[in-house]
Amino acid sequence: EVQLVESGGGLVKPGESLRLSCAASGFIFSDCSMNWVRQAPGEGLEWVSSITPSDNIYYADSVKGRFTVSRDNSKNSVYLQMNSLRAEDTAVYYCARDPRPTSDYEKDYWGQGTLVTVSS
Amino acid sequence: SYELTQPLSVSVALGQTARITCGGGNIGRKNVHWYHQKPGQAPVLVVYRSSYRPAGVPERFFGSNSGNTATLTISGAQVVDEADYYCQVWDSNTVIFGGGTKLTVL
Repeated sequence: EVQLVESGGGLVKPGESLRLSCAASGFIFSDCSMNWVRQAPGEGLEWVSSITPSDNIYYADSVKGRFTVSRDNSKNSVYLQMNSLRAEDTAVYYCARDPRPTSDYEKDYWGQGTLVTVSS
Repeated sequence: SYELTQPLSVSVALGQTARITCGGGNIGRKNVHWYHQKPGQAPVLVVYRSSYRPAGVPERFFGSNSGNTATLTISGAQVVDEADYYCQVWDSNTVIFGGGTKLTVL
């Protein structure tokens, strides 16, 4: 059974940093591209970043230069380092899988999300 | 940048057919994926690559895509289908979501 479990969310002040983790199981992690998608309270889905098994990386303009995605295929995990956080980064952050090693497919499995709140 | 346009809300009578549209320039040339999301839950894939259903998704969910509009059709809508629905494409190394449509089953 495919499982994605996010962790690392919490309450931080503007300008601070946070690192999210997503632990994957139930599939061959190194065969799949991974994504971070967020959802602000009461809002729609917003893509944040994608990383392929060969470390091709893509970011939304809204986070470029502040967020860094990485993965450790030996630990079946993907990470999102978030720096210079702003109030508008407040959201539930979901980890989602592409079923292929490129990022242009559907997101067929999602984690339950981890809440990041940026507030002074 | 590429944009996807969805109606904010769609209402359908119980057992009738609901159609949720997703507009975008030449979207018919792209693979469109659809997700539904219930309050407090993660999104769930219901149609991928415009017209394929994942295992476990009821046959009443049907996707089509042509020209500038992709459509998710739910035939015989049930109360359990009440949710927010999002379309999604890939364009210029970017994952793009539509703004979402709230489906109400009356």
